[in-house]
Amino acid sequence: AQSVTQLGSHVSVSEGALVLLRCNYSSSVPPYLFWYVQYPNQGLQLLLKYTTGATLVKGINGFEAEFKKSETSFHLTKPSAHMSDAAEYFCAVSDGPGNQFYFGTGTSLTVIP
Amino acid sequence: NAGVTQTPKFQVLKTGQSMTLQCAQDMNHEYMSWYRQDPGMGLRLIHYSVGAGITDQGEVPNGYNVSRSTTEDFPLRLLSAAPSQTSVYFCASRGTGTNSPLHFGNGTRLTVT
Repeated sequence: AQSVTQLGSHVSVSEGALVLLRCNYSSSVPPYLFWYVQYPNQGLQLLLKYTTGATLVKGINGFEAEFKKSETSFHLTKPSAHMSDAAEYFCAVSDGPGNQFYFGTGTSLTVIP
Repeated sequence: NAGVTQTPKFQVLKTGQSMTLQCAQDMNHEYMSWYRQDPGMGLRLIHYSVGAGITDQGEVPNGYNVSRSTTEDFPLRLLSAAPSQTSVYFCASRGTGTNSPLHFGNGTRLTVT
């Protein structure tokens, strides 16, 4: 089965600083990778998804993720954190169409004014 | 377009009581699933369905039943509630495309006393 590991259950950054949330996946070809965001008391919302052949994937709200096959990583970044980015972020991997999703344990992002 | 709709939003049960969490989607998705979210554990798959009449167990199926009589609906039944089932429950669906993401409902917060 697929799996993802998110390093750091809590990350704090200052407003305007770089956001880096880490995700490593178990090796599989091809990987179907996703990042989701969850705001308090809400469901999960898709931030971005990996597209085969791409190395940098752009998502909503200024987030992007870099796919590195050699490191089996799909880290999420944003150049400048905003207060509204405070949320829980989940990395997920899928077996493929119609198959299960496997989620990481999540990273809670705090943005310090 | 409502997407994935879950009811109720909140529920309190006594140990031993039964109830059904409702989930409906209007995107004509074949794949539907139920997750529970607990602090520090991410999202864990309870049951899923790849189409009407077809269901299968996920990672944590004990104490839960599902059925899928229509494409739109995928209810989750708690047969005899236990305090360990206190959690936030999310229903999600996805299309059949290769890289289709999961679409989530807003969740049901269940407390079992």
